[in-house]
Amino acid sequence: DVKVTQSSRYLVKRTGEKVFLECVQDMDHENMFWYRQDPGLGLRLIYFSYDVKMKEKGDIPEGYSVSREKKERFSLILESASTNQTSMYLCASSFSRESNQPQHFGDGTRLSIL
Amino acid sequence: AQSVAQPEDQVNVAEGNPLTVKCTYSVSGNPYLFWYVQYPNRGLQFLLKYITGDNLVKGSYGFEAEFNKSQTSFHLKKPSALVSDSALYFCAVRETDKLIFGTGTRLQVFP
Repeated sequence: DVKVTQSSRYLVKRTGEKVFLECVQDMDHENMFWYRQDPGLGLRLIYFSYDVKMKEKGDIPEGYSVSREKKERFSLILESASTNQTSMYLCASSFSRESNQPQHFGDGTRLSIL
Repeated sequence: AQSVAQPEDQVNVAEGNPLTVKCTYSVSGNPYLFWYVQYPNRGLQFLLKYITGDNLVKGSYGFEAEFNKSQTSFHLKKPSALVSDSALYFCAVRETDKLIFGTGTRLQVFP
């Protein structure tokens, strides 16, 4: 079974802090994704990556950056946290670009910015 | 751009009754469609997908979905609902290498 692990289930940070959310997958997947989930809005894609050191902007990249130094790890960075970034953050991975295999999700990080 | 719509925010059904969670899509070309379920405080779990072939797709936990090209729909169904099916359900469509998700439908199954 694919396992996608997010380092924190709950996180509380202050406005202006630099925040790191970590995600690790154990199935050698090429693709990794970061979403945020807000009530009534569903999941919105922030950033994704097809390979090490590669990144692509999703639909709502503003205020975020990512890092993928190793294939199994994909980090989401909030450069200067703001209250409107309070949300549930979900990481996902999938096999490859050409595949129709489903994405596998971690359990999420509920982030509160005070 | 591809999109999916889930017209119902919430669906209520009694245990033992059939359930349907609706999804309509808008795509150019052939649609690749997915259903996911999210239980409280968990990530999304894959239920089933339609890529090509039979219009009735069977998935996990007894769920199935019917692809209807003329109505551009991909409704999720189960013949007999369980209280444990209560969760948030998301329809999604593949766009190039990404998934575009609907806004979700909360399914509440009452004993």
